[in-house]
Amino acid sequence: GNSVTQMEGPVTLSEEAFLTINCTYTATGYPSLFWYVQYPGEGLQLLLKATKADDKGSNKGFEATYRKETTSFHLEKGSVQVSDSAVYFCALSNAGGTSYGKLTFGQGTILTVHP
Amino acid sequence: DTGVSQDPRHKITKRGQNVTFRCDPISEHNRLYWYRQTLGQGPEFLTYFQNEAQLEKSRLLSDRFSAERPKGSFSTLEIQRTEQGDSAMYLCASSLETGRNSPLHFGNGTRLTVT
Repeated sequence: GNSVTQMEGPVTLSEEAFLTINCTYTATGYPSLFWYVQYPGEGLQLLLKATKADDKGSNKGFEATYRKETTSFHLEKGSVQVSDSAVYFCALSNAGGTSYGKLTFGQGTILTVHP
Repeated sequence: DTGVSQDPRHKITKRGQNVTFRCDPISEHNRLYWYRQTLGQGPEFLTYFQNEAQLEKSRLLSDRFSAERPKGSFSTLEIQRTEQGDSAMYLCASSLETGRNSPLHFGNGTRLTVT
């Protein structure tokens, strides 16, 4: 079946540091890949997505590239801010059938950014 | 677009009692999903509706769980004879059927505590 593995957390950084959160996946077919973010007290929000190999998703300074050869979708940001403190979830969507849109999530990575 | 609304935000119940949660999706969204999230884990898929039809149920959804979406709009999730292991955040999400890449819009969740 489908599965998503994220790097162990939590991650603590100083403001303006470089961020990488690793994500690898196992899936049949050609899944779409997503990063969702959950800010304190809020629901999950879509951060970015990529729908095919070598696609790069980007939003709010975050980027992730769909690497089929390494089955990875690592999240990066060049300079984090305190407001980026949140829980980040990597996810994939099933490749077909009646399960269109159903997401399989990783366990989440807590990011804390200090001033 | 008022977002996905879930009610109640918190529910504390005694073991053995029945509970019901409600989800109001974004009005034009025809897909609705229920997920469960426990502390330190990513959301786990429970069930999925397209309009009023329940198309998929996870093996996580025991016989004590039932979900409905009677008119293809709001949905309810009922847990009968609650157990302490049911304590979790129950998330609802909706999306518009435009293919598997449609992003899911999540509500803020209902936190269930079974004592």
